[in-house]
Amino acid sequence: QKEVEQNSGPLSVPEGAIASLNCTYSDRGSQSFFWYRQYSGKSPELIMSIYSNGDKEDGRFTAQLNKASQYVSLLIRDSQPSDSATYLCAVKDSSASKIIFGSGTRLSIRP
Amino acid sequence: NAGVMQNPRHLVRRRGQEARLRCSPVKGHSHVYWYRQLPEEGLKFMVYLQKENIIDESGMPKERFSAEFPKEGPSILRIQQVVRGDSAAYFCASSPVQGGKETQYFGPGTRLLVL
Repeated sequence: QKEVEQNSGPLSVPEGAIASLNCTYSDRGSQSFFWYRQYSGKSPELIMSIYSNGDKEDGRFTAQLNKASQYVSLLIRDSQPSDSATYLCAVKDSSASKIIFGSGTRLSIRP
Repeated sequence: NAGVMQNPRHLVRRRGQEARLRCSPVKGHSHVYWYRQLPEEGLKFMVYLQKENIIDESGMPKERFSAEFPKEGPSILRIQQVVRGDSAAYFCASSPVQGGKETQYFGPGTRLLVL
């Protein structure tokens, strides 16, 4: 059973600080990794994708991938209250076209 | 949501009735995925379809659930003889191509409540 593991949180971070979200996965052959944001009662929204080892930056978001350690992380700089949401780590199955999701980390940015 | 349409947005059924959920992918996308999300849980893959073909249904319960993606029209997820445990949010996602680095774009979901 291929798995994606996340700490469920809640993770509480003061406004303006860096929020760090972590994820590990079991499928060593996976090549595609995603971070989705989901507000309560809404659908997941893609915020970052990463395919190569290292860092990928997009605005206040930085995704980090370490395939050797089977570890993906998301950093949110200058956290805003609007960043409060559940963040889903997702990994594309190496032997199929489906995406396997973690159970999500609830992030709360306190003013 | 990149243009994926789902309807209805909310659906209430009594135990034993049928639920029919529809998904229209982004224009030009030929790959559709259905996921189920129980309260306070992550998304669980159910089925992957291309036009007129089921590619992977490994996440779909063997009984009462079926899915199709006809040549014309939306993809349909059908749940027969619903039970209370079917209450969940059902999300459809679409992508343009199979394999590679394509991402999936999600629709707004259908919230199913079984009374």
